[in-house]
Amino acid sequence: GQQVMQIPQYQHVQEGEDFTTYCNSSTTLSNIQWYKQRPGGHPVFLIQLVKSGEVKKQKRLTFQFGEAKKNSSLHITATQTTDVGTYFCAVPSGNTGKLIFGQGTTLQVKP
Amino acid sequence: KAGVTQTPRYLIKTRGQQVTLSCSPISGHRSVSWYQQTPGQGLQFLFEYFSETQRNKGNFPGRFSGRQFSNSRSEMNVSTLELGDSALYLCASSEQGARLNSYNEQFFGPGTRLTVL
Repeated sequence: GQQVMQIPQYQHVQEGEDFTTYCNSSTTLSNIQWYKQRPGGHPVFLIQLVKSGEVKKQKRLTFQFGEAKKNSSLHITATQTTDVGTYFCAVPSGNTGKLIFGQGTTLQVKP
Repeated sequence: KAGVTQTPRYLIKTRGQQVTLSCSPISGHRSVSWYQQTPGQGLQFLFEYFSETQRNKGNFPGRFSGRQFSNSRSEMNVSTLELGDSALYLCASSEQGARLNSYNEQFFGPGTRLTVL
């Protein structure tokens, strides 16, 4: 079945440093979603990417969808302590309607 | 609109017991999905209901079951609990329609934290 690899699993950064998490699929994706889960919270939708090579920005967050639609990245510029949490990518499993979540990247930010 | 609500928020059970968790989706959302979240396995898809029908199922044993009512509220049941069932159970609703290849934003509830002793 559909699998998605997300790296790294953990990232510790100093406040102000940049952070990037990557999501890779062995198959071409129709779209990809990104979610953020704060410690003790629940996943919250950030964005959905659909087009090949698409780049979307939300303030300090930049999301990219690869040209081959097999990978995606989330980049945070100048991290803040409010960025702490686990970032998940989620991809559709074929045409089943199921969303498969990556293992997540947990970001820790040292003030 | 009110968000997704889940009850109870916390639950402690012993091995062999059964448990029922409840989820009320956002008004107007007909798709409800359930996920199990554990530190080791991450977010694992359990099943999805749409208009009272189970439309998708993950790779979980038959002890895990669910249903959806006409008002889109959903319940999941776990019978014969095992220690490994301890997890955060998350429910998510979406505006996802009848077409299986349309993927909409999932709105997650706060989850039910189940501890099996």
